[in-house]
Amino acid sequence: EAGVAQSPRYKIIEKRQSVAFWCNPISGHATLYWYQQILGQGPKLLIQFQNNGVVDDSQLPKDRFSAERLKGVDSTLKIQPAKLEDSAVYLCASSILAGVSEQYFGPGTRLTVT
Amino acid sequence: GDSVTQMEGPVTLSEEAFLTINCTYTATGYPSLFWYVQYPGEGLQLLLKATKADDKGSNKGFEATYRKETTSFHLEKGSVQVSDSAVYFCALREGGSEKLVFGKGTKLTVNP
Repeated sequence: EAGVAQSPRYKIIEKRQSVAFWCNPISGHATLYWYQQILGQGPKLLIQFQNNGVVDDSQLPKDRFSAERLKGVDSTLKIQPAKLEDSAVYLCASSILAGVSEQYFGPGTRLTVT
Repeated sequence: GDSVTQMEGPVTLSEEAFLTINCTYTATGYPSLFWYVQYPGEGLQLLLKATKADDKGSNKGFEATYRKETTSFHLEKGSVQVSDSAVYFCALREGGSEKLVFGKGTKLTVNP
């Protein structure tokens, strides 16, 4: 079974530029999560989708971050414009159902903002 | 709000040494508790979990017991191997919520 795929694996941009990350969850997984992991800290949930609807985006900085999950499969997370403090690893995870089922994580995208 | 506190790393051990990584939590209800492991260059993987007090989670020689009275979920392994070198994260999920709350992680290095 293929795991959660993410691209790109690494990205370096200058502040005020925009960037987008892509995630392809495990086939059949209804729930998709985006996490931000700043160096030296644990992952922090940014947004959760159930199929193509948003369940929780309470910790998403909506002035600069946006995310979508068209057709309830792939998802894109965008930052525009980027700030230095956005440097982090962005992790995508998916699960069959929300709550009780295990979350499977992708390898992450490491973003460096200079 | 809910939070997880892990012992500060990094932790460096020799092969076959005993491992303990401390984890305590703060939660308003009765959370489920997890240990995740992140090997270099890979995503997080679920190592073990416990869903109620006194439950013991175990996997690959690792164990952790859900202690409600001390709000702890310490990770232990009797004899570590070089292949156990990774970053370990303790996490909780409140009942009725899907959100995982993670600790800061503890980096373990095992030397031959």
